[in-house]
Amino acid sequence: DGGITQSPKYLFRKEGQNVTLSCEQNLNHDAMYWYRQDPGQGLRLIYYSQIVNDFQKGDIAEGYSVSREKKESFPLTVTSAQKNPTAFYLCASSDPRTSGNLYEQYFGPGTRLTVT
Amino acid sequence: EDQVTQSPEALRLQEGESSSLNCSYTVSGLRGLFWYRQDPGKGPEFLFTLYSAGEEKEKERLKATLTKKESFLHITAPKPEDSATYLCAVQASAAGNKLTFGGGTRVLVKP
Repeated sequence: DGGITQSPKYLFRKEGQNVTLSCEQNLNHDAMYWYRQDPGQGLRLIYYSQIVNDFQKGDIAEGYSVSREKKESFPLTVTSAQKNPTAFYLCASSDPRTSGNLYEQYFGPGTRLTVT
Repeated sequence: EDQVTQSPEALRLQEGESSSLNCSYTVSGLRGLFWYRQDPGKGPEFLFTLYSAGEEKEKERLKATLTKKESFLHITAPKPEDSATYLCAVQASAAGNKLTFGGGTRVLVKP
């Protein structure tokens, strides 16, 4: 089955520790995105990548880092510099050549990160 | 700055009671407006894309419409399984592939 996988579903960390969230897709999509969702709020863009070895900051990139070494993978590291890391993190991907819709984004199941 | 505002924040409906959700937007050139459904603890599921004023799309009990300043998601004769949070997002001409999301409307349909 084609899709986006995120692991783990739940993640717990102590304050001051860096943590990496995994995002893998087998949809052959060029573009990938990371969003953060806080309770009762919409999604906010952290980072996005339109092609391998390239990525851009979104609206709330401070305290986060990413890499895009492979087309299928776009891991997100939440660093100790992120002041409020506890949130629901969503990964998405898109590709006009395969989706038939220029900007439609497909989302993974999400990772809920709790930092105490 | 692109902005998206959804109303109401929450909506409680009886099964079969039709209603509409609103998504008001301000963007510098609209490329597309998207509706997603999100169940608790899960990722958003794509519903519709609308590109230009006057456009309408339908899927089962849902119908999305678009004007130059807002979009409506009409839920006709809803069932309990339509309970979810509905998210609206816009893509602006100057924003590349970036989406700007609204805060969502939580819909609860009671049997």
